[in-house]
Amino acid sequence: EVQLVESGGGLVKPGRSLRLSCTASGFTFGDYAMSWFRQAPGKGLEWVGFIRSKAYGGTTEYAASVKGRFTISRDDSKSIAYLQMNSLKTEDTAVYYCTRLMVYAIRGGRLDYWGQGTLVTVSS
Amino acid sequence: DIQMTQSPSSLSASVGDRVTITCRASQSISSYLNWYQQKPGKAPKLLIYAASSLQSGVPSRFSGSGSGTDFTLTISSLQPEDFATYYCQQSYSTPSGTFGPGTKVDIK
Repeated sequence: EVQLVESGGGLVKPGRSLRLSCTASGFTFGDYAMSWFRQAPGKGLEWVGFIRSKAYGGTTEYAASVKGRFTISRDDSKSIAYLQMNSLKTEDTAVYYCTRLMVYAIRGGRLDYWGQGTLVTVSS
Repeated sequence: DIQMTQSPSSLSASVGDRVTITCRASQSISSYLNWYQQKPGKAPKLLIYAASSLQSGVPSRFSGSGSGTDFTLTISSLQPEDFATYYCQQSYSTPSGTFGPGTKVDIK
């Protein structure tokens, strides 16, 4: 059974850092791209960023709203994806979800498995 | 950027009703459209991918159609466990595929 479990959320002051982890099981983690999304309280879903599998270079892409502040990495030996969040702002307050991204050969894809989410609250 | 809209933003329906939700993209996205269901306090769950393909384990009362800019999600006979918020997502610009604003389905 595929499972994604996020951890590391909590209350943090503006300007501080936090690292989220996404621990995967039930599939060959290294074969898949992983994405992070977030959902502010009562709001819709916003893409944060993603990391390709090592077979495709393990490179990353980010939303403009977090680029330069957030960093995604992966440890395939431990089946964990990380979201390092620096210089946090109050507007980063949200539930953060990691997702498995099934990428199609030419373009497109689907988010076929999601973690349960972890709440990050940025407040003084 | 591709913008996604959904209508209605909310609807009230009864168990057994046929429910249709519409999603529109700001430009053609071919069939690169997914549908997700989200219940309060839970993560989204993939229902339909590539506009009309049913995700494994999803009941057959859910179906999707459309291509280009206009898409629909249909629930043929609404069940109590279907009361939730439904989101469409364009995957044309994967990995940053944008979500629609959601349609909340509640009990009439």
